[in-house]
Formats: sequence, structure tokens, C-alpha cells
Amino acid sequence: GAGVSQSPSNKVTEKGKDVELRCDPISGHTALYWYRQSLGQGLEFLIYFQGNSAPDKSGLPSDRFSAERTGGSVSTLTIQRTQQEDSAVYLCASSLVSFRGLSGNTIYFGEGSWLTVV
Amino acid sequence: AQSVAQPEDQVNVAEGNPLTVKCTYSVSGNPYLFWYVQYPNRGLQFLLKYITGDNLVKGSYGFEAEFNKSQTSFHLKKPSALVSDSALYFCAVRDVVTSYDKVIFGPGTSLSVIP
Repeated sequence: GAGVSQSPSNKVTEKGKDVELRCDPISGHTALYWYRQSLGQGLEFLIYFQGNSAPDKSGLPSDRFSAERTGGSVSTLTIQRTQQEDSAVYLCASSLVSFRGLSGNTIYFGEGSWLTVV
Repeated sequence: AQSVAQPEDQVNVAEGNPLTVKCTYSVSGNPYLFWYVQYPNRGLQFLLKYITGDNLVKGSYGFEAEFNKSQTSFHLKKPSALVSDSALYFCAVRDVVTSYDKVIFGPGTSLSVIP
């Protein structure tokens, strides 16, 4: 597509429920990133995909968080047993191939998925 | 490990005056530096980047940034601020770690342009 697409744009869920957030990157972009942004705060790195593999999962806050990417395209971030501290905006971004020596590619962001846990 | 600092949480500037949003970085190798802007309730929009070449980089909406290797800085500038420039600005650095890389963002600087 023309840009990074995220869904849902807004999600209100009850504490303890599972949620899935979807990201559809720009066509042809092999690198995909998930970030979390709490209200008025900076960006917290969650996970990075190169193709379907995730070489860097270092930012996932707990084992309740998981992510996958299939077909080198769409990615899903899943939060199990949501807690109120999970409330945030979840931002997805993508870029062309990104690896050692070819790191100058710009990453482009979606509009985010606003998650509220009540 | 790489890091990015934005020493000012908030910058206020009068409309029509020049603006500067500061960024300093730390990387082990060559830096790839980026600036993004975030308007309220929106995602991040790319403004400009430095990869190599001229130290002065020009980007969208009249913004520019100057790469200073000796001071490890990449300050964002605009000659004449507009009220519509009021937003949250993020500096980011990309470094290379083993066979992959990731982009690290600074904490953000809130810019307010006063009419």
C-alpha cells in the first residue's frame, strides 16, 4: 500500500483480555519495527523483523507480549492478559532492507494503534 | 551501545524567529541520523536524514539539520518558525549491531511556536 497501515486505530479492552494489533507495512519493505509510546512520552523499542525473522526481541516488556510476521509482510503484535500499564500507542514502522552497511534507509511510521486497558 | 539525547524537553519560540531543537548522539560506528515530527494524535512523520556527504541536510517544511561529528550533534533548525510547526520532535540514530540494526529514538522535544 501507499503507507504503513495499522489496525485497529483504537481499542478499549478489559484488564485480563488478550488483544491483537495488526501492521501492514509498505509494499516491498522487508524491515518492520514495533514501538510503544506512552502518553506524552518517547518511543520504546519493542521488536524488529527482517523478513519473517525477529533478530531483536530485546524490547518486549514481558512474556505476555509476542509478535509474528508472515509472508514477509503483515505483522501481528499480541498482548495476553492485558494490564492497565499496557495502555499506550503502539506504533509500527517499516523500511527497505536494513542490515550492516545498508542502514541509511528511512523508516516510515503508521498512525498507531491506541490501546486503552480498563 | 548507541544512544540519543535531546537535552530540552520544551522549546518555546516566537513566530517568525529562528528555531533550534538540539540533539546529541553516541554510536560506536558511523551514525545515520534522522529527525521526525509528531503532531497531536498522529504517527511520526519523517523530516530529514544524514547518511553521508554534506553536513547541512535540508528536509521537509523548510527544516534543516547540521551534522557535527566533533560535537556528536545533529541539531534541527528552521530560519523562521510557524505556529503550525508546534509539535513533538524526535531525533533518532541508527547504528549497526552484528548483522542487523535498529533505530533508537531520543525522548522528544516539544516545540511551541507562539503567535
